[in-house]
Amino acid sequence: DTAVSQTPKYLVTQMGNDKSIKCEQNLGHDTMYWYKQDSKKFLKIMFSYNNKELIINETVPNRFSPKSPDKAHLNLHINSLELGDSAVYFCASSQGSREEPEAFFGQGTRLTVV
Amino acid sequence: GQSLEQPSEVTAVEGAIVQINCTYQTSGFYGLSWYQQHDGGAPTFLSYNALDGLEETGRFSSFLSRSDSYGYLLLQELQMKDSASYFCALTGGFKTIFGAGTRLFVKA
Repeated sequence: DTAVSQTPKYLVTQMGNDKSIKCEQNLGHDTMYWYKQDSKKFLKIMFSYNNKELIINETVPNRFSPKSPDKAHLNLHINSLELGDSAVYFCASSQGSREEPEAFFGQGTRLTVV
Repeated sequence: GQSLEQPSEVTAVEGAIVQINCTYQTSGFYGLSWYQQHDGGAPTFLSYNALDGLEETGRFSSFLSRSDSYGYLLLQELQMKDSASYFCALTGGFKTIFGAGTRLFVKA
C-alpha cells in the first residue's frame, strides 16, 4: 500500500513538448511538495502546498505549473520543456508540523529531455 | 534565507563508526532532520532533533546544538548497506530545505 505514489517513473521527451507528472498520497497529510534533484543529487524544493493552497514557490520558471485538485493530489505540468529540465522530480508529503516533521517521498520521476 | 553545509564524501570501513557533520544558517526552523537516499531510490527519513541534544534510533544517532548552528548524524556498526547519500535538512513552516548531501562509502 504505497504512501506517496507518482507517475510516470520514467519520462523521455523532446525539447519544446509539454508533459505532466501526477502525485497522490494516502497518508492524510495536509502538506505536499515538489522537489527537483539534479545530477549532483542536490534536492531543491520547488513548490509547497497546504490544503490545496500554494504556500511556497521557490523562484521556479512559470513553465512549471503545479495543480492541487484536493489535498491528496499534487500534479506538476511542465510547458515547453528544455534540456536543463532533465532531472529526477520527487513528490513528497508531510504533516508540516513541529511534532511530525517527517516527509514521505514518492519513488521519483526521471525526466530526460532530448 | 536558509542554507546547510555538509561534507561531500565520507569513506569508512565496515563495522566502524562514522560521523557526518552539518552546519546551517537560518532565521528560524522547527528542527534538524536526516534523510538517507540509496542510488536510484527516494529519500527516506532517519532522524529528527527539535531540541538540543542526542536522539538515538538503533544504530543511528543524531545531535543538534542550536547555539552552534550545528548537528551531526552518527552511524555505528557500519554495514555495506549503509553506503548511500545522507542529507541534513531544516524543517519548518511548510517546507524542508536540504543540504547538498554526503556520499558515504562503506568498504569491506
